[in-house]
Amino acid sequence: DVQMTQSPSYLAASPGESVSISCKASKSISTYLAWYQEKPGKANKLLIYSGSTLQSGTPSRFSGSGSGTDFTLTIRSLEPEDFTVYYCQHYNEYPPTFGAGTKLELK
Amino acid sequence: EVKLVESGGGLVQPGRSLKLSCAASGFSFNDYWMGWVRQAPGKGLEWIGEINQDSSTINYTPSLKDKFTISRDNAQNTLYLQMSKLGSEDTAIYYCARFGWWGNYFDYWGQGVMVTVSS
Repeated sequence: DVQMTQSPSYLAASPGESVSISCKASKSISTYLAWYQEKPGKANKLLIYSGSTLQSGTPSRFSGSGSGTDFTLTIRSLEPEDFTVYYCQHYNEYPPTFGAGTKLELK
Repeated sequence: EVKLVESGGGLVQPGRSLKLSCAASGFSFNDYWMGWVRQAPGKGLEWIGEINQDSSTINYTPSLKDKFTISRDNAQNTLYLQMSKLGSEDTAIYYCARFGWWGNYFDYWGQGVMVTVSS
């Protein structure tokens, strides 16, 4: 199985700042990568697929980049509602696997 | 509004079986692949498997294929996950989700249902 390594596991920032979350695959996955947002008591939300395509409804302050093995989720001008957990997931081969998650905390 | 609501979870004894349901609404259920993912306490998300629109193709993560059976009833807009010979390692939140158009990712998720395997 392809291993997805997310870093950092925890990230502290303040509203208005920009942050980046890394996701590294153990082998090339082309751009078959999705990013999700998890919030307590709510369904997980798809933010980005195909590495950089914003899902309908995803605010433009979110962006995704990368291909092959290295990917980045960037959030610009953090809003209060952005402080939560983020996961990456590859879907280049079977089975798809997820990163362990990054918790974005308020500094 | 797309809505996925899981049910059927709870406390179950080791070795027993359990069947989860996922009621879908707000979209044409029979147009989409659907899948299941789980998350054990303190662990990451784990892909279980998926089913296509007419149930002719069902895939499972190889390490889990002997434990789970995915099915669907398009007339009832419902997805199912039959779990057998449950062990403590199956204690997790189970999520159903709808496939996106462009690959094996999920564009909508349910909120999940907790399954606890314990005597």
